[in-house]
Formats: sequence, structure tokens, C-alpha cells
Amino acid sequence: KNQVEQSPQSLIILEGKNCTLQCNYTVSPFSNLRWYKQDTGRGPVSLTIMTFSENTKSNGRYTATLDADTKQSSLHITASQLSDSASYICVVSNQAGTALIFGKGTTLSVSS
Amino acid sequence: NAGVMQNPRHLVRRRGQEARLRCSPMKGHSHVYWYRQLPEEGLKFMVYLQKENIIDESGMPKERFSAEFPKEGPSILRIQQVVRGDSAAYFCASSGGTPRSGNQPQHFGDGTRLSIL
Repeated sequence: KNQVEQSPQSLIILEGKNCTLQCNYTVSPFSNLRWYKQDTGRGPVSLTIMTFSENTKSNGRYTATLDADTKQSSLHITASQLSDSASYICVVSNQAGTALIFGKGTTLSVSS
Repeated sequence: NAGVMQNPRHLVRRRGQEARLRCSPMKGHSHVYWYRQLPEEGLKFMVYLQKENIIDESGMPKERFSAEFPKEGPSILRIQQVVRGDSAAYFCASSGGTPRSGNQPQHFGDGTRLSIL
């Protein structure tokens, strides 16, 4: 069964600290893996997209890694800001690329 | 605003009524996707459309749900004879290229919150 599991479910950190979010998936065959940020009451916003041949991709303070062999990905956030408080969603695309399989997300709270 | 536009943002219907959700993709995008998000759950794929064609509807319930993306105008997700279990947030996304290209981000609207009384 195609699944995307994220951990932790929620996380609280202090402003300025770094954090790493985890994603494990069982989607096969696999096309690409995406990380999205979703603010409360808003639609998801794309952070990174990686195909199976890419190991890492950065977008500002966000760095995503991918290990296609172990089917694991991580999202590292550096020097967190209050505006980073949101749900971070790992999304895996099937080989056709038509269907995205979403994790339930990690809810990040950054406090001052 | 060149983003994906969804309306209405909130929709309240009584059981048995029809719900129509509209989505205008980003300018120049011809690929539209609909997703449903239940409380405390991840988004679930429903249907993928290109102009005038349904490409993949594997995630859409066989009954009461339909989607279209006409040559002119927005994409419409239609739910007939709504039931309480249809209460959810419905998100639309659009992309400019084919999904098979692998690197096409999907741009999401802010969703329609459907509440069934």
C-alpha cells in the first residue's frame, strides 16, 4: 500500500534554533518527492521538489534530503523564524506523476 | 492576483443539496487537480483534468461526485445530494506542464471549506 509517514507529528522550538523533520514512504514506483508548507487556513506552498536521482535540494533556509534506497527524506530548517510556524507536508508522486500521496504533516510551532 | 483562485472560500449546504466548487487555475496553466482534506488527515487526491478532459479520476467517489474543466471558464467540482461525510476542505491545484516531467510544482488555491448541516 502506498503510504507516506511523517515524524514527529508536532514540534515546538525556540526562534533561531534549527530543526529536522522526517518522512518515510512506501510509494512504488516513485517519481518525485516534494515538501510543502501549509499555513493555517491556506493552501500548501511548494518548498522543494526532488526526483529519485537527487540527494539534496535547498530553498533559502530549507534544505531537503532524499535517500531513494531507504525511502527516507528529511527537511532541515535553519535559524527558524516565527513565520516558520506551519504544517510541513511530505508528498510523494507516483511514477505517472498524476497522483500525489500526502503525509499528514508535521505541525511546527516556533516560539520567541 | 495571478495565483490559483477558489470560490467560495466557505460553503454551507443542507443534506441532499448540491455543492459546486469553482477553481480558476494560474494564468497559462492547463492542468488542474482536486484534493480533499478531512480534519487531522492529509490531503487526498481526487481527480486530475486537462482542458475538457478527465485524465485521472481514480481518487474520486464513483457516485455523486463529478468534475469538469471546460474550454472556457473555471474547473468545477460538483457534489450532488451532499451528506455530512462530505464536510471537508477541498483544494484545487494547477500546473503548467505535464506531471510526467517530474519537476512541475503544483500551485494550490486556499481551498473551499464545505460544511454540511
